[in-house]
Amino acid sequence: KNQVEQSPQSLIILEGKNCTLQCNYTVSPFSNLRWYKQDTGRGPVSLTIMTFSENTKSNGRYTATLDADTKQSSLHITASQLSDSASYICVVSPYSGAGSYQLTFGKGTKLSVIP
Amino acid sequence: DAGITQSPRHKVTETGTPVTLRCHQTENHRYMYWYRQDPGHGLRLIHYSYGVKDTDKGEVSDGYSVSRSKTEDFLLTLESATSSQTSVYFCAISDSDASSYEQYFGPGTRLTVT
Repeated sequence: KNQVEQSPQSLIILEGKNCTLQCNYTVSPFSNLRWYKQDTGRGPVSLTIMTFSENTKSNGRYTATLDADTKQSSLHITASQLSDSASYICVVSPYSGAGSYQLTFGKGTKLSVIP
Repeated sequence: DAGITQSPRHKVTETGTPVTLRCHQTENHRYMYWYRQDPGHGLRLIHYSYGVKDTDKGEVSDGYSVSRSKTEDFLLTLESATSSQTSVYFCAISDSDASSYEQYFGPGTRLTVT
């Protein structure tokens, strides 16, 4: 069964500090991996999307890494801001040819940035 | 929210009543999806549509039906609501199939079934 496990479940950091969120997956074969940010009471918003051939991708202060061999990804947040407080969701897309609709979502890591 | 609206945004209903949630997009994307989000679970796909009048089931489709008569609208119906359907429902759209293309999510509808 395809699974995506995220750690930690929750994290509290001081404003200005860096942090790293982890994602392990068992999805195979694998098409791409995405990180979403979900603010409380809102829908998820895409941060990055990486194919199996990409090792790293950045979006401002967010940098995602991917190791397809070990089936691990991480999301690094640099110089955190209060607005980074949100849930971060790792999503993996299995490869099953054209017309694939089933994504596998992790449960998310809830990040709280405090002053 | 990428030109996606959901209505209503909040709804409280009683067990056994029918409920319809609406998703409306202005992006002219072909694909539309309904998900539910519950504590302790990742987002789970209920139904999806790959064109007008073309729909199919996701992993948690029992108790739900959908319809898509226009490109811009995707309706989710709970024929007879149950307490287990209390959840936050998200609509999403994509330009092509979910495996390769970005999905954009709506703001969500919080449904409470009492």
